[in-house]
Amino acid sequence: GAGVSQSPRYKVAKRGQDVALRCDPISGHVSLFWYQQALGQGPEFLTYFQNEAQLDKSGLPSDRFFAERPEGSVSTLKIQRTQQEDSAVYLCASSPGGHAANYGYTFGSGTRLTVV
Amino acid sequence: SQELEQSPQSLIVQEGKNLTINCTSSKTLYGLYWYKQKYGEGLIFLMMLQKGGEEKSHEKITAKLDEKKQQSSLHITASQPSHAGIYLCGAENDMRFGAGTRLTVKP
Repeated sequence: GAGVSQSPRYKVAKRGQDVALRCDPISGHVSLFWYQQALGQGPEFLTYFQNEAQLDKSGLPSDRFFAERPEGSVSTLKIQRTQQEDSAVYLCASSPGGHAANYGYTFGSGTRLTVV
Repeated sequence: SQELEQSPQSLIVQEGKNLTINCTSSKTLYGLYWYKQKYGEGLIFLMMLQKGGEEKSHEKITAKLDEKKQQSSLHITASQPSHAGIYLCGAENDMRFGAGTRLTVKP
């Protein structure tokens, strides 16, 4: 596609519910990142994939968070037993190479998760 | 990981005024990105700086990376309401971001 697509755009979950957030990167992009952005804050790194390999998951806040990219394209971020502190915008970004060099990363518009 | 500190946290300027936003790293940067985020939207790539002393411009926005590659400044000349948003710096080596600078431009 023309850009990074994230779905759903908005998600309201009841506390304790599991959610799955989808990221469809630009076709052929090797690198994929997930970020969590709380209101008024900068994006906080969650995890990084190069193709299907999850090279860095040091930012995942707890074992309730799980990300996968089984075929090296679409990625899913899963949050189990959601808590109110999980409420945030979840951003996905992709780039053509191992690192983005001079062309930067392309970000999706994000999924706004509200846990009630 | 890299710690990036941005200042100021927020800035309100009158249309037409110049302004500068700073980004300081705790470690030497391999490269630094500047992004802009409009409220409620994704990040838009502005530019990337890699070499010490490098300066790049995009329309009325100029960014510089110091010789030691630990500090970058982003300068907007003759600001316009369309410049309003959150400006974020990010480290190329680990793709972590600063907390952002929220810019408001009053017409």
